[in-house]
Amino acid sequence: DQQVKQNSPSLSVQEGRISILNCDYTNSMFDYFLWYKKYPAEGPTFLISISSIKDKNEDGRFTVFLNKSAKHLSLHIVPSQPGDSAVYFCAASGGTSYGKLTFGQGTILTVHP
Amino acid sequence: KAGVTQTPRYLIKTRGQQVTLSCSPISGHRSVSWYQQTPGQGLQFLFEYFSETQRNKGNFPGRFSGRQFSNSRSEMNVSTLELGDSALYLCASRDREPYEQYFGPGTRLTVT
Repeated sequence: DQQVKQNSPSLSVQEGRISILNCDYTNSMFDYFLWYKKYPAEGPTFLISISSIKDKNEDGRFTVFLNKSAKHLSLHIVPSQPGDSAVYFCAASGGTSYGKLTFGQGTILTVHP
Repeated sequence: KAGVTQTPRYLIKTRGQQVTLSCSPISGHRSVSWYQQTPGQGLQFLFEYFSETQRNKGNFPGRFSGRQFSNSRSEMNVSTLELGDSALYLCASRDREPYEQYFGPGTRLTVT
């Protein structure tokens, strides 16, 4: 039972263009969502988060959109840079404990110069 | 502030042995969570500790255990190691608010 899904295993984008990474969830108890960036053999790096009371949150080049009715969130990176190439994970928490993150399977983003 | 630190970074053990991994959270963070990352299962939650109490536990066998000390440092232990326990073990800490978890670099465990 995969409660958080990232249906695109990979995404390839040209430098300077927009990268859009998508994530779907099924558990209605989730009310806090996060995006992490990860390199192999390293720990995930926190990028941006959003609470269910909002539908958008921005931080520099990163914007996260939340559509609660569709149980869908997306991460927009504008403009994309080659240094953004990594695996991106969305994660969700809520209900009884915010200490438990449920992760999607990740999307490999490649930004070409 | 210094980030989350984990020791050791790499570990090789033999099937049947036990192992203890250590995590030091960001100063002031009282919650520590542990995760296992494998190619097949992705990132999976093991357990969370807050103020020395286990608050939540993932779907792992009893061979996986943990504890937290009064200074918020945490350890996890895996007994009777199996080949399938080979993974990257990640520790994360957070403050009460906001809810973001900050991860350490991980411990790469290889069971032979």
